[in-house]
Amino acid sequence: KAGVTQTPRYLIKTRGQQVTLSCSPISGHRSVSWYQQTPGQGLQFLFEYFSETQRNKGNFPGRFSGRQFSNSRSEMNVSTLELGDSALYLCASSSTVVAGGKTQYFGPGTRLLVL
Amino acid sequence: AQSVTQLGSHVSVSEGALVLLRCNYSSSVPPYLFWYVQYPNQGLQLLLKYTSAATLVKGINGFEAEFKKSETSFHLTKPSAHMSDAAEYFCAVSTMNSGYSTLTFGKGTMLLVSP
Repeated sequence: KAGVTQTPRYLIKTRGQQVTLSCSPISGHRSVSWYQQTPGQGLQFLFEYFSETQRNKGNFPGRFSGRQFSNSRSEMNVSTLELGDSALYLCASSSTVVAGGKTQYFGPGTRLLVL
Repeated sequence: AQSVTQLGSHVSVSEGALVLLRCNYSSSVPPYLFWYVQYPNQGLQLLLKYTSAATLVKGINGFEAEFKKSETSFHLTKPSAHMSDAAEYFCAVSTMNSGYSTLTFGKGTMLLVSP
């Protein structure tokens, strides 16, 4: 079974621009979560989508948004980019959304550099 | 709120030596705990997870972790380090929010293996 895929793998943007990142979950998985990884803050949860609905949200400003399509693929968008948005953005998929012990499988990430 | 603390941002061992990476958790309810590994320029790979079925959990690549409730710990061990084990390791706890779960990660421990 193919793993979680993310595109693009690398991205360079300038301040003020917007960016869209894409994630395709493991086949059959309907839950997609997004995380931001930076050297200073570590891994932080952004949001989770299940059945095209946002089910859970972390503590990030409204510039960060996402959506999920009927085939479970997900995109996240960051508007008005700031230098501090430079990070590795990781997508993870799981077969369920509610269970506390659910296993999340991560993609390789998209490395975003904001200049 | 549930959280994890990883002691030591860097751990250095010689090839063939015991690997011990420390993780302590804070949780008011029985936790679900995970260890992930991240190789350079890659996403997170699940090593093992604890879901209360057994206190000693065996994972991939010869790693195992023991859940100790009295010490609120979930330390990761491997009897003999290999050069290929050099990577960053993350301990995580499943956190519930409004009925949905997500992962809260520790700051990570970089494992350095010398010949």
